[in-house]
Amino acid sequence: QVQLQESGPGLVKPSETLSLTCAVSGGSISSNYWSWLRQSPGKKLEWIGHIYHTGATTYNPSLKSRVTISMDTSKNQLSLNLTPATAADTAVYYCAKQRRDGFHNWFDPWGQGVLVTVSS
Amino acid sequence: EIVLTQSPATLSLSPGERATLSCRASQSVSSSLAWYQQKPGQAPRLLISDASSRATGIPSRFSGSGSGTDFTLTISSLEPEDFAVYYCQQGGNWPLTFGGGTKVETK
Repeated sequence: QVQLQESGPGLVKPSETLSLTCAVSGGSISSNYWSWLRQSPGKKLEWIGHIYHTGATTYNPSLKSRVTISMDTSKNQLSLNLTPATAADTAVYYCAKQRRDGFHNWFDPWGQGVLVTVSS
Repeated sequence: EIVLTQSPATLSLSPGERATLSCRASQSVSSSLAWYQQKPGQAPRLLISDASSRATGIPSRFSGSGSGTDFTLTISSLEPEDFAVYYCQQGGNWPLTFGGGTKVETK
């Protein structure tokens, strides 16, 4: 069974870069889609974007100008960069395996999440 | 972007009762809708995909129905571990979006 584990700084200063990694175990990232999502303090869930094993990415238009998702197949991990960070980016960040069946997309499983606070 | 509206925001029920949760989409998503359960301090867990397909290991008391713009998650008889927040998610249009959640709490 695939397991995912997010890691990164819990505190980021405004205007700096929010950088997270997601280590995948129990399966190779060299297949399937892999997504980043976040959940704000008000509990709203937001899809940030995904990367395909080819390296192709798709981003949420609301974040597209500030976000980069990449993958390192040698380490079997994903990365998320968001810059410049603002207080509105304070959230729990999750990585997840994105399942696709034709035009249908859903997320399973999810990592446990990591809380990132953007504050000076 | 497709907006998903969940109702009610909070559902107060007792163990053994039936729970009916609604998710309405701002435009048709065909059958491309998933349901998740989230407990405090945990990540969301997939319950249902493609509107009505239970995920692996999900008990049969959970069922999903609907297509187009109106969807329902039904829990036939609430167990103590079912009190949580439930989210719907549409998976057929970009960007992928989630509803605001329904909290099922103990009455």
